[in-house]
Amino acid sequence: GENVEQHPSTLSVQEGDSAVIKCTYSDSASNYFPWYKQELGKRPQLIIDIRSNVGEKKDQRIAVTLNKTAKHFSLHITETQPEDSAVYFCAASISGSARQLTFGSGTQLTVLP
Amino acid sequence: NAGVTQTPKFRVLKTGQSMTLLCAQDMNHEYMYWYRQDPGMGLRLIHYSVGEGTTAKGEVPDGYNVSRLKKQNFLLGLESAAPSQTSVYFCASSYGGLAAYEQYFGPGTRLTVT
Repeated sequence: GENVEQHPSTLSVQEGDSAVIKCTYSDSASNYFPWYKQELGKRPQLIIDIRSNVGEKKDQRIAVTLNKTAKHFSLHITETQPEDSAVYFCAASISGSARQLTFGSGTQLTVLP
Repeated sequence: NAGVTQTPKFRVLKTGQSMTLLCAQDMNHEYMYWYRQDPGMGLRLIHYSVGEGTTAKGEVPDGYNVSRLKKQNFLLGLESAAPSQTSVYFCASSYGGLAAYEQYFGPGTRLTVT
């Protein structure tokens, strides 16, 4: 089955700096890659996603890049703010199936004021 | 629109007891999923359903059963709870259409088995 690895497990940045979280996946058939943000005690919420026919997608301060050849994708957050502090999860799934998501183990991002 | 709701929010069980977690969605989604989340780990898929009356095993199905008798509800059962099932359980749903991939999560159920 699919295996998703996520790095780093913890990340601290100064407010205003950029943060990058990286994930690799094992199944070359995967073609949907969402990123979820989870605040303490809350449910995961989708912040951005990308499909395999696109190499990069941007939404304001958040961007995701995908390298299908290398089987890795990354989340980029620019101009970080204290409210960006949370756990971020990457995931991968295969279109045409029930779209089961395989999640990475998460990155605790702390933005220091 | 309530979205995805879960009942109960918290529960404490003794080893060997049984219980059922209820997930309900009012978005007319076809696909529904049950995940568990343990500290330091991502969410792991327990069971899922692609429509009313259908269920399938996910990554960690042992010790759990599910049923989807109505499209809007997805039930997760623990027949004989074990301490290893202490976790936070999340339900999610998805439209299932070709252009709609996003999974919407419920607020979670925190289960402790003593």
